[in-house]
Amino acid sequence: QQQVKQSPQSLIVQKGGISIINCAYENTAFDYFPWYQQFPGKGPALLIAIRPDVSEKKEGRFTISFNKSAKQFSLHIMDSQPGDSATYFCAASKGGFKTIFGAGTRLFVKA
Amino acid sequence: GAGVSQTPSNKVTEKGKYVELRCDPISGHTALYWYRQSLGQGPEFLIYFQGTGAADDSGLPNDRFFAVRPEGSVSTLKIQRTERGDSAVYLCASSAGGGSDTQYFGPGTRLTVL
Repeated sequence: QQQVKQSPQSLIVQKGGISIINCAYENTAFDYFPWYQQFPGKGPALLIAIRPDVSEKKEGRFTISFNKSAKQFSLHIMDSQPGDSATYFCAASKGGFKTIFGAGTRLFVKA
Repeated sequence: GAGVSQTPSNKVTEKGKYVELRCDPISGHTALYWYRQSLGQGPEFLIYFQGTGAADDSGLPNDRFFAVRPEGSVSTLKIQRTERGDSAVYLCASSAGGGSDTQYFGPGTRLTVL
């Protein structure tokens, strides 16, 4: 009930391409779904977040797509850049408090 | 302004010893979170404070782990009788008011239990 499953574990994308990371959750009580970006040796940093009353949210090159009936959500990174190379985590929580993270996706953008 | 800071950045200890990890949140932030991140994994929730009180400590793995935030600012995570399995990066985050307010993470303390 508490799990958030994330795929793929790793991803290699050409510069300028689209990076897509998928997540699925089980607990229908979750109502806040953030994505975090983490660079080596640093703590995670919030990238973008969505609530289930919205099917899509876009901020710059980053878009979250949300499918409430399928209990799935995904992150799309448009025009991927080498500087986007990092580990990305999806997460879910009820009310934004106790946050459950996915296992992470290591993204490498080839120049 | 200053972000979340954590000390020490690295801590090496022997099995069975006691350790304390410190977190200084962003000034004025009322909510404070502790997470544990094992190699190659996502952060795992441990405990959440709202002000001085622990609002949710359901993630603490056992009674060897304890955290305090006596004045509603700095927090200390305490681990007794450390085990090799406790080795991980311990992350602290703070947010302005809890809930869906953005959680700002510190760089973490890397704990190694020999």
